[in-house]
Amino acid sequence: SSELTQDPAVSVALGQTVRVTCQGDSLRKYYASWYQQKPGQAPLLLIYGINSRPSGIPGRFSGSSSGDTAFLTITGAQAEDEADYYCNSRDSSGKHYVIFGGGTKLTVL
Amino acid sequence: EVQLVESGGGLVHPGGSLRLSCEGSGFSFNRYSMNWVRQAPGKGLEWVSHISGNSDNVYYADSVKGRFSIARDNARNSLSLQMHRLRGDDTAVYFCVRDQLSSGIFDYWGQGALVTVSS
Repeated sequence: SSELTQDPAVSVALGQTVRVTCQGDSLRKYYASWYQQKPGQAPLLLIYGINSRPSGIPGRFSGSSSGDTAFLTITGAQAEDEADYYCNSRDSSGKHYVIFGGGTKLTVL
Repeated sequence: EVQLVESGGGLVHPGGSLRLSCEGSGFSFNRYSMNWVRQAPGKGLEWVSHISGNSDNVYYADSVKGRFSIARDNARNSLSLQMHRLRGDDTAVYFCVRDQLSSGIFDYWGQGALVTVSS
């Protein structure tokens, strides 16, 4: 199916590690990209490809995948990491150019 | 510095039309595919439309197919989205987004233009 599924909400204690998941059939063929969105702002590309970060993205953000699931890991979460996180990928069904996950609200405790 | 600046948002009645524009700067505009992505109030991201660098390939989400039309003018570094027969569920912030190598990797986003469809 042309869907990417994310947990609606995740929390992490300050300084701890958290993993955000994105699951869908398209991820068996395409890599996921990950975006961070803070209130009132445009999304920001965090991770793409196997595990690439655009310039300026902190190294505590990393990506990985297994089968039909992609993971965004934040190692040593900071207060400023509290945001919504979205995954996307090309749609392997061919029905859409790109599909997005529903987003995960990350709370840093 | 890559910049994408949208314009043209506003309030429109149901059934009406509106045209969004996006001006790109700081990069070779004609070398990149471009997209529109929207976000309804309090909701997630929804891909709307894609156009390749030379306009040969154009795609639309099912929710807007037949009502929206994407176009670009590489001479003016501009992207547009013509929207017709607007509905309440089209109310959203519309983002102009650069596509890295037509890969679906959206590496630069505009600040967004709010479209409100209401009577």
